[in-house]
Amino acid sequence: AQSVTQLDSQVPVFEEAPVELRCNYSSSVSVYLFWYVQYPNQGLQLLLKYLSGSTLVKGINGFEAEFNKSQTSFHLRKPSVHISDTAEYFCAVSPTGNQFYFGTGTSLTVIP
Amino acid sequence: NAGVTQTPKFRVLKTGQSMTLLCAQDMNHEYMYWYRQDPGMGLRLIHYSVGEGTTAKGEVPDGYNVSRLKKQNFLLGLESAAPSQTSVYFCASSRVGELFFGEGSRLTVL
Repeated sequence: AQSVTQLDSQVPVFEEAPVELRCNYSSSVSVYLFWYVQYPNQGLQLLLKYLSGSTLVKGINGFEAEFNKSQTSFHLRKPSVHISDTAEYFCAVSPTGNQFYFGTGTSLTVIP
Repeated sequence: NAGVTQTPKFRVLKTGQSMTLLCAQDMNHEYMYWYRQDPGMGLRLIHYSVGEGTTAKGEVPDGYNVSRLKKQNFLLGLESAAPSQTSVYFCASSRVGELFFGEGSRLTVL
């Protein structure tokens, strides 16, 4: 079975500061990796995904993530956050492309 | 594009009542899912379907039933609601490599 660990449940950061949201997963097989974002009272939308190829993946709204196979990690980064980035962020893995396993989420709060 | 649509968006039930949540997708996806979201627990898979006429249990299926009579629709039923089923429910559909979510249905069981 797959498991996804998001080490930080809450991350407060000042506006225009950099941020990193951590995600580790356990899997003995190759997986697809995802970050989803959930704004208040909305559904989840895809931020970025790693299917294959370059380990550095760029997503929407200036976010990027790096796949590290040896450390089984897929950390999300942004060099300068905005107030509008305040949201819940979920890491997910999929061994097949059609079964998805989610972490418990990280609540990012951007402080003015 | 509508994408994934869930109805209703809000519902309050009394313990023991039954209800059905409807999910519709217009992307011709084979796979559909029902998740529940609870604080501190992320998303947990209730049931899923790999195609019309098929359903399968996920991580937390007890107390729920599902049906996929048409490819575009995936229904989630609660036969006898319990307070532990108070949650936000999300429907999703997928093509390989991406999940598409509805906006959620907030259910409160008193």
